[in-house]
Amino acid sequence: EIVLTQSPGTLSVSPGARATLSCRASQSVSRGKLAWYQRKPGQAPRLVIYGASTRGTAIPDRFSGSGSGTDFTLTISRLEPEDFAVYYCHQYGTSPSTFGQGTKLEIK
Amino acid sequence: EVQMIQSGAEVKKPGSTVKISCKVSGYTFSDFFLHWLQQAPGKRFEWMGLVDPSDGSSIYAERFQGRVSITADTSRDTAYMEMTLTSEDTAEYFCATGAYSSGLIYFFDYWGQGTLVTVSS
Repeated sequence: EIVLTQSPGTLSVSPGARATLSCRASQSVSRGKLAWYQRKPGQAPRLVIYGASTRGTAIPDRFSGSGSGTDFTLTISRLEPEDFAVYYCHQYGTSPSTFGQGTKLEIK
Repeated sequence: EVQMIQSGAEVKKPGSTVKISCKVSGYTFSDFFLHWLQQAPGKRFEWMGLVDPSDGSSIYAERFQGRVSITADTSRDTAYMEMTLTSEDTAEYFCATGAYSSGLIYFFDYWGQGTLVTVSS
């Protein structure tokens, strides 16, 4: 199965700054089938990006996804207070679909 | 607005059964597959299985086959996940919508808030 490794484990960034989260796959992710989810404590996870670069419903344009093959990035420009959360990547191009271990984005 | 509301936390003994519900609103329940995922403490999300509410058919991940049952009640717009528990099953469980085709699970559009199940003797 494809193992997704997210880095860093924790990222401390100031509001208004840019955050860059990485997701590296042990094998090529088929056809860029990679998604990112946001999880806040006590809330439902939220789809942020799918297809490596397409924003989910009602996701603000400060969120952007990029990458292909084995290296993918989620970038959040101009961090807002509500953006601080745990982010997970998920590949769904090859069965079994697999998730990364998460990156916690915390306020610096 | 799509909402998926799960039932509350449970504390169970090993060998017992837990049944978690997921009530949906904001879309036609029978139009989309309904999945269940597990996230144990410190572990990654793991897909457990799905139900097609339109016909009640279900598919399970190999690891959960035989001890998990996923069903749907279209009269209540509610899906259920029932599992016989071991001590390894302490985890948060999530329902989610997402496509499924030719053996491939796609991304998950909407999620429930999660249900914590604690298994302890």
